[in-house]
Amino acid sequence: LAKTTQPISMDSYEGQEVNITCSHNNIATNDYITWYQQFPSQGPRFIIQGYKTKVTNEVASLFIPADRKSSTLSLPRVSLSDTAVYYCLVADNYGQNFVFGPGTRLSVLP
Amino acid sequence: DSGVTQTPKHLITATGQRVTLRCSPRSGDLSVYWYQQSLDQGLQFLIHYYNGEERAKGNILERFSAQQFPDLHSELNLSSLELGDSALYFCASSPTGTRNTEAFFGQGTRLTVV
Repeated sequence: LAKTTQPISMDSYEGQEVNITCSHNNIATNDYITWYQQFPSQGPRFIIQGYKTKVTNEVASLFIPADRKSSTLSLPRVSLSDTAVYYCLVADNYGQNFVFGPGTRLSVLP
Repeated sequence: DSGVTQTPKHLITATGQRVTLRCSPRSGDLSVYWYQQSLDQGLQFLIHYYNGEERAKGNILERFSAQQFPDLHSELNLSSLELGDSALYFCASSPTGTRNTEAFFGQGTRLTVV
């Protein structure tokens, strides 16, 4: 099973770009990478998903290098409301690989 | 509001007891996933059901079982409860059986075993 690691915490200021990296050294060919955001006392919320290269949506970008052993979630111009825990998830479509990272606690300061 | 409903929101029970957690997925979603979140273990995948059938098992203890009913709601049964089972239990749903689609999480059930 893929094992994932993330920084435990990060601090940033409002308006800055934040990059959170997840390492997944033994990612399998069929695994996708998904990022979730979680606020206290709430369930995780989907942010973005990708397989390789770069994916962008209205809230974030996801960068995955060619070897796919890591992925970087990029949040442009964060605000105070982006203070949350961010999880990466490595999972394949049908098999047993379904591993969440330990989560990165992002604190956005004014 | 994700559209996924979990009941109850809070549950306090004694060691050795059995409890049932319930999940109603979003309308039209065929997949239901169960997760356990604790301070020391983080988010752990327990089990995935698709259209009534078990699709994948994760770190689910033998004391735990789940099922998905014809109306697609799901129940997670936890028996012979131990103090270490105290955690947040989340249910999530998605439209298809493939796990690489956006999943929508409920608000969770906080289980406290005393």
